[in-house]
Parts: sequence; C-alpha cells; structure tokens
Amino acid sequence: DAKTTQPTSMDCAEGRAANLPCNHSTISGNEYVYWYRQIHSQGPQYIIHGLKNNETNEMASLIITEDRKSSTLILPHATLRDTAVYYCIVRVATGNQFYFGTGTSLTVIP
Amino acid sequence: ETGVTQSPTHLIKTRGQQVTLRCSSQSGHNTVSWYQQALGQGPQFIFQYYREEENGRGNFPPRFSGLQFPNYSSELNVNALELDDSALYLCASSPGGQLPTDTQYFGPGTRLTVL
Repeated sequence: DAKTTQPTSMDCAEGRAANLPCNHSTISGNEYVYWYRQIHSQGPQYIIHGLKNNETNEMASLIITEDRKSSTLILPHATLRDTAVYYCIVRVATGNQFYFGTGTSLTVIP
Repeated sequence: ETGVTQSPTHLIKTRGQQVTLRCSSQSGHNTVSWYQQALGQGPQFIFQYYREEENGRGNFPPRFSGLQFPNYSSELNVNALELDDSALYLCASSPGGQLPTDTQYFGPGTRLTVL
C-alpha cells in the first residue's frame, strides 16, 4: 500500500488559507488521493479526493503534482471550526479499504 | 437521507468479556467497513463487508468478527476482550463496494472501554 507522510501539526491564522501538504511518493497510477478530517473524537468527515487533476468543491481544493508524488489540501479561508486532524490517504486500487496514517493536527488561531 | 448511525455510543466491559457493536449504513449503501482508533492514532482498518460477504480484512486477530445483514446494517463482535481493545470503533458505509472512487462516510463511533 502506498504510504503517506504528513507534518504532525500546523497552525493557521483565522481567515487565511491553510495549505496542508502530503507526500505519497510510492503511489501507483490508478490510486486515488483522499482527504478526510476528524474533529475531536467524532467520525472522520470526507473532504475531497482526486486522481491526477486538481479538484475543488465547496469545502476545499486539492492540488496534485504532475508526478503525483505529493499533494496539497487547501482550505481557502480557515475558520476556528476547521481545527481538526487532517488525514491524507492513498486509496488502494483493488479494493475499498482506506489506510489512515497519523494525520496533521491543524489549529486555526483567532 | 439518514447518515451512518452506530450504537451504543459508549460501552464499558471487563477483560475477557464479549461485545457487539452495531452500525446502520447510509441509505443506498451496500458496503460497510469497520475501523479501530486508539487514542492519538489514526483509524486502523479491521474489515469490510460488501453485500453480506467479507471483502477484505486488516491485521486483526480472529476474535474480531463481523456480520452484514440483508438490509446492509452490520455488527462487529469482539471476543475475549483485552485492555488494548479500548478504542473508538468507527463504521463507514459506501455506495458501491468496488469502485476506486467510492467514498466512505463515517458514523460517530462507539467508545469502548475495557477494564
């Protein structure tokens, strides 16, 4: 399974863009990148996913490098409610199992 | 549309006992996955059920077993509980089971404490 590497923690000022990086250098060509977040002791919440093109939805943008070895999740205008642990996951191509790492703990500062 | 629900919310058991956790999948979803999340860690995949059949299993011993019913709800059973089984147990449902773009939607979890 392709592994992901994320910084342990990050801070972001309220109202500014939060850019969360993820390295997945062993990703295969047909494996998707997924992002989830988890607010303290709640179930993980789906944010966005992509294969090779950049993606945007109402919550965030996902930028995937051309070689697909890394990606960045962008929260355009961070609010205090965005404080959470953010997980970058590479979805195995042959099944539907998600393998989580330890994620990035994002703190949005007033 | 009802989301993923889990019961009970919290549970306290003693070592050696058995426990059953329940999950109702989101409407229209036929796949359920179970995860264990220890304190300070990311969720760890236990197993997945697709149309009542086990469809993948993580690195968990056989005392972790499951079941999926015709209505696609699911149970997670853990026998001979150990202290290290104390964790948040998460259930996630997804619509298709096999597509690489199937998104999993998580329930709120069941907090299990083993004393």
